Amino acid sequence: EPEVTQTPSHQVTQMGQEVILRCVPISNHLYFYWYRQILGQKVEFLVSFYNNEISEKSEIFDDQFSVERPDGSNFTLKIRSTKLEDSAMYFCASRAGQGAYEQYFGPGTRLTVT
Amino acid sequence: GENVEQHPSTLSVQEGDSAVIKCTYSDSASNYFPWYKQELGKRPQLIIDIRSNVGEKKDQRIAVTLNKTAKHFSLHITETQPEDSAVYFCAPHEYSFQKLVFGTGTRLLVSP
Repeated sequence: EPEVTQTPSHQVTQMGQEVILRCVPISNHLYFYWYRQILGQKVEFLVSFYNNEISEKSEIFDDQFSVERPDGSNFTLKIRSTKLEDSAMYFCASRAGQGAYEQYFGPGTRLTVT
Repeated sequence: GENVEQHPSTLSVQEGDSAVIKCTYSDSASNYFPWYKQELGKRPQLIIDIRSNVGEKKDQRIAVTLNKTAKHFSLHITETQPEDSAVYFCAPHEYSFQKLVFGTGTRLLVSP
């Protein structure tokens, strides 16, 4: 069964550094998402992406964040200058199309900012 | 924004008992009502969902019931097993809006 994949599984970075988290959505899916989950808390929406542009973003997704689909398969989340409070698990998800309801989640990348 | 709450926040049952988790929401436009299970350190996985034209749906040991008038829906797990231990999240939304708004989560612990 096709799955969403994410790399790396764990990223440790120093405060102020840039990080790029990578996701490969399920082939032929059209809608892509990033969510984050701070340890012990609920999953929070960051951004949705469709047709090569952001369709919605949350207030968490400020100017330090950006997303890109550079080559038709990868979907990346960049954090320009990481802060301690960016430490969290970041999940990518994809959805097939307009008539499909389910979002499929990747295994997540644990980001630790020191 | 959407307010989504779950009760209880933690639930401990003995193996074989039933468990019920309730999700209340504020957005009357919501028309899709999924439940996700998240095991420790793992991704959220959809376990059951219901759409607003249906009041109840069952899949083996799990079921979801919807009361759209009262704006709540519930997850029912019968004959619980230790492997049901996880955090369960509801995520009601208007499906054409793209984002999932997760509830506060319920930690279910099933003791053998």
